[in-house]
Amino acid sequence: NAGVTQTPKFQVLKTGQSMTLQCAQDMNHEYMSWYRQDPGMGLRLIHYSVGAGITDQGEVPNGYNVSRSTTEDFPLRLLSAAPSQTSVYFCASSYGATNEKLFFGSGTQLSVL
Amino acid sequence: SQELEQSPQSLIVQEGKNLTINCTSSKTLYGLYWYKQKYGEGLIFLMMLQKGGEEKSHEKITAKLDEKKQQSSLHITASQPSHAGTYLCGADPGNTPLVFGKGTRLSVIA
Repeated sequence: NAGVTQTPKFQVLKTGQSMTLQCAQDMNHEYMSWYRQDPGMGLRLIHYSVGAGITDQGEVPNGYNVSRSTTEDFPLRLLSAAPSQTSVYFCASSYGATNEKLFFGSGTQLSVL
Repeated sequence: SQELEQSPQSLIVQEGKNLTINCTSSKTLYGLYWYKQKYGEGLIFLMMLQKGGEEKSHEKITAKLDEKKQQSSLHITASQPSHAGTYLCGADPGNTPLVFGKGTRLSVIA
């Protein structure tokens, strides 16, 4: 049972480049979310999805796009990377949106130069 | 929006000592979650508290929820090097995704 799988684990981008952070879960969870973690800022919600075809913005959505075409996958896209997006990104999933334990991936460490 | 404040921000304790981490919410707590994060890794679920006065334990870690104070505490008894890491509390605002505190970094020295 793989749980929540994130790829890549590390990535270095130049300003203006685009990339997609991948997230997949094999637990048939309806709810998936992306957080970023920065020193002194804690975990902040970027986007989330309560099911296939449904996405919504979190606290810090600017500069990021998401889509949810399947229950298993929830990719996070950076269309034009900026140094302010240097961070550690975590994908999480749960059975439901509220009152449910979140399962986290191991994270993607992204540096934008 | 709901905010969670954790105290202390960091903690260094000698192996074998007890310690407490607090998490205070700006709004009513419908559910409070405790996670642990080791350096460079993802978050691992520890415990979930849902009712005022609820107390849960796992090995040497005990968490309590004080609904009236909108606060939760995490207590570690006889700390060990394996307890080192960052502890984060997360709250269920009621109908939106979990919000998290900024974390408490725990170091355990021999």
